Amino acid sequence: GAVVSQHPSWVICKSGTSVKIECRSLDFQATTMFWYRQFPKQSLMLMATSNEGSKATYEQGVEKDKFLINHASLTLSTLTVTSAHPEDSSFYICSASRINTEAFFGQGTRLTVV
Amino acid sequence: AQSVAQPEDQVNVAEGNPLTVKCTYSVSGNPYLFWYVQYPNRGLQFLLKYITGDNLVKGSYGFEAEFNKSQTSFHLKKPSALVSDSALYFCAVRVSNDYKLSFGAGTTVTVRA
Repeated sequence: GAVVSQHPSWVICKSGTSVKIECRSLDFQATTMFWYRQFPKQSLMLMATSNEGSKATYEQGVEKDKFLINHASLTLSTLTVTSAHPEDSSFYICSASRINTEAFFGQGTRLTVV
Repeated sequence: AQSVAQPEDQVNVAEGNPLTVKCTYSVSGNPYLFWYVQYPNRGLQFLLKYITGDNLVKGSYGFEAEFNKSQTSFHLKKPSALVSDSALYFCAVRVSNDYKLSFGAGTTVTVRA
């Protein structure tokens, strides 16, 4: 099956710094990718839809200036958490889909802001 | 609008017993339905999907699900549960012309030895 690779798997950063998370579709082109946030033992909360070559579409309540999304190519989307604070600590997951198939998910990134 | 309900936060079964995880959905149009499993600190792994065709869908690791249009349900089942099936299970739905998935709240399955 198709593979989506997410990097890093975990990261610890200091409050006020920025962190970039990469999401790559390894064997297919993804014009659309999705970024989710997940709190412990809870469901996935869609943050934004990443569109190749255009601006991301953010869900209501998600700060677009804090969570910068760039989809520079058909195989790479990045999420940058800017000026991170402890409340941004969470598990972030990306996904990509092909037409008429299931979504493929990255391994997730555990972000801890100290 | 589309939504998914997983009415049970937790399901506990003994190893070797049947396992059922419930899911109901609401969409405008024909649903694409999915089940995913998540282990701690990992992404979601695909189990099975219903897009069209037979209502009974067989997937990975011995899981199956039945699409019931009249009851708008897509319950996940396994005839004989294993301890290794203990995980968090998500049901998800989308429509054909939109990649955006809606997830249920998740059901934690615990299989005791």
